[in-house]
Amino acid sequence: DAGITQSPRHKVTETGTPVTLRCHQTENHRYMYWYRQDPGHGLRLIHYSYGVKDTDKGEVSDGYSVSRSKTEDFLLTLESATSSQTSVYFCAISDPSKGTPWIDYGYTFGSGTRLTVV
Amino acid sequence: AQSVTQLGSHVSVSEGALVLLRCNYSSSVPPYLFWYVQYPNQGLQLLLKYTSAATLVKGINGFEAEFKKSETSFHLTKPSAHMSDAAEYFCAASRGSNYKLTFGKGTLLTVNP
Repeated sequence: DAGITQSPRHKVTETGTPVTLRCHQTENHRYMYWYRQDPGHGLRLIHYSYGVKDTDKGEVSDGYSVSRSKTEDFLLTLESATSSQTSVYFCAISDPSKGTPWIDYGYTFGSGTRLTVV
Repeated sequence: AQSVTQLGSHVSVSEGALVLLRCNYSSSVPPYLFWYVQYPNQGLQLLLKYTSAATLVKGINGFEAEFKKSETSFHLTKPSAHMSDAAEYFCAASRGSNYKLTFGKGTLLTVNP
């Protein structure tokens, strides 16, 4: 979607190597989220951010870390990639101040990053 | 914790038949509810959302969903399936702190000619 981009779009990496995925937004939204999508599991929240340098864990955070040093960028790092982290990763943004009520605005999702760990 | 259950991981219908995809949420206080669609190798597209303004919500592509508090349900329907409706559908809920979305596991809709 316009205003949110994920990079890279595809990546193949080897087990044990570090990997960083980037989510970049131009909407100045406060909230940013990282989800992973796996068959039979839907989308599950990995980490999220509610402001610069403010982050918290989601339901599947083990093996992942995040950083947000500026509003527009939210980085997801796999410190030592494993085959179980092969997945499609989606970034999403939202901001309660953008809608009245907020839900009228809702969420915007990126196009996803397909990561394969071999 | 909020949870979303989609009954049926795979639903198959004939073209022109009624589409019914089921979603139940677990919460004594209704959350915001969404339906998203994902076509093969694509991202998520919002179909519709429930915001408490109306219990019957109309979305894009002829889909609609009815919120039933007594049943904690938000089922998605379409009167007549089209081949182009073949996709995976996700129900999601958001409530409480930090506006996190909780997704169901998805339902793959197949439309047969």
